[in-house]
Amino acid sequence: QQQVKQSPQSLIVQKGGISIINCAYENTAFDYFPWYQQFPGKGPALLIAIRPDVSEKKEGRFTISFNKSAKQFSLHIMDSQPGDSATYFCAASREAGGYQKVTFGIGTKLQVIP
Amino acid sequence: DAGVTQSPTHLIKTRGQHVTLRCSPISGHKSVSWYQQVLGQGPQFIFQYYEKEERGRGNFPDRFSARQFPNYSSELNVNALLLGDSALYLCASSKEKGWGETQYFGPGTRLLVL
Repeated sequence: QQQVKQSPQSLIVQKGGISIINCAYENTAFDYFPWYQQFPGKGPALLIAIRPDVSEKKEGRFTISFNKSAKQFSLHIMDSQPGDSATYFCAASREAGGYQKVTFGIGTKLQVIP
Repeated sequence: DAGVTQSPTHLIKTRGQHVTLRCSPISGHKSVSWYQQVLGQGPQFIFQYYEKEERGRGNFPDRFSARQFPNYSSELNVNALLLGDSALYLCASSKEKGWGETQYFGPGTRLLVL
């Protein structure tokens, strides 16, 4: 049961372009939506996160757009750089019996070409 | 400050054997979570421990167990290894256990079961 659906699974963008990764969730109990960036051989690192009472959050070149009614959220990477080449995971989190249960998407492998 | 550390970095075992993976959280962090990341997939939640008690458990068989020590470090144990247990095992720490807490991931232990 895939509770967080992520697309595309791979993405190639030219340097300077916009990278867009989309996620959709089913469980309306999710109430915290982080994005993680993972480089080969490393663990995931938190990139940016949003709560459902906000429709957009921007940090530098990274923006999350959130549509609560559609149960969808997306990551936009503006002015994409070769150093952004990594795997990106969306996630959805909810309180579950006193702990934070985090469900990850399948991941998007981003390649930014010069 | 040191980040989350995990040991060993790589491990090869045969079916039926037992394995113990170790994690040291960031100093001051009381919560440790374990995730399994199969190649090409997002991390899947296994356990969360907080103040030495199990607070949450994912959909994993009883062959998987864990514990947290007074210094907040943690061990993940897997008995009767199966080929399908081959994966990257990630440990994440956070200050507390609750909603919206940022989880900081270690580099993982890559387990290969032959």
